[in-house]
Amino acid sequence: KAGVTQTPRYLIKTRGQQVTLSCSPISGHRSVSWYQQTPGQGLQFLFEYFSETQRNKGNFPGRFSGRQFSNSRSEMNVSTLELGDSALYLCASSLGDRYLSGNTIYFGEGSWLTVV
Amino acid sequence: GENVEQHPSTLSVQEGDSAVIKCTYSDSASNYFPWYKQELGKRPQLIIDIRSNVGEKKDQRIAVTLNKTAKHFSLHITETQPEDSAVYFCADNNAGNMLTFGGGTRLMVKP
Repeated sequence: KAGVTQTPRYLIKTRGQQVTLSCSPISGHRSVSWYQQTPGQGLQFLFEYFSETQRNKGNFPGRFSGRQFSNSRSEMNVSTLELGDSALYLCASSLGDRYLSGNTIYFGEGSWLTVV
Repeated sequence: GENVEQHPSTLSVQEGDSAVIKCTYSDSASNYFPWYKQELGKRPQLIIDIRSNVGEKKDQRIAVTLNKTAKHFSLHITETQPEDSAVYFCADNNAGNMLTFGGGTRLMVKP
């Protein structure tokens, strides 16, 4: 079965613009989470959605937002882009049936965002 | 917040030797500990995971051990091969699907 799919794979934006990234989870998975990966900060959790509701949120400014649709597909948006937002944005999906923790989590290939 | 520390940051071994990567975590509520391998330009790929009701898990050349009392867990790779060269990340999970990652270990296996 198909893995986690992210689009676009690569994009270049200008400071001040906004960007929307898309993620389609593995079929049957209801939880989608987003991570930012940079050389300096490593892998950091942005937020998680389950059944169209944000379930957990990381420590990122309000410029970073997301949503999940009824088919479990998710989008994340970054407004007023800054140079420091240049990163690999990874989407991950899981069944999400264990609320507390313990679900196996699979990553997509990521979206490489460069802000100039 | 939760903190996961990973050591060493780089590890160089000769082909055929063993490699060990260690992680410590701070939240006693954490009960799921996955390990990911990330090759250059690619996604993190789950290689093995362990849940808190198990002390050790093995899959061919890879094993993970967990000590909940001491709050640390380790990845062991035996008979290393050049294709094992990558960055390895440990993580823990204490809420929903929120993973807290260690800083990563760059493993280099010399032929």
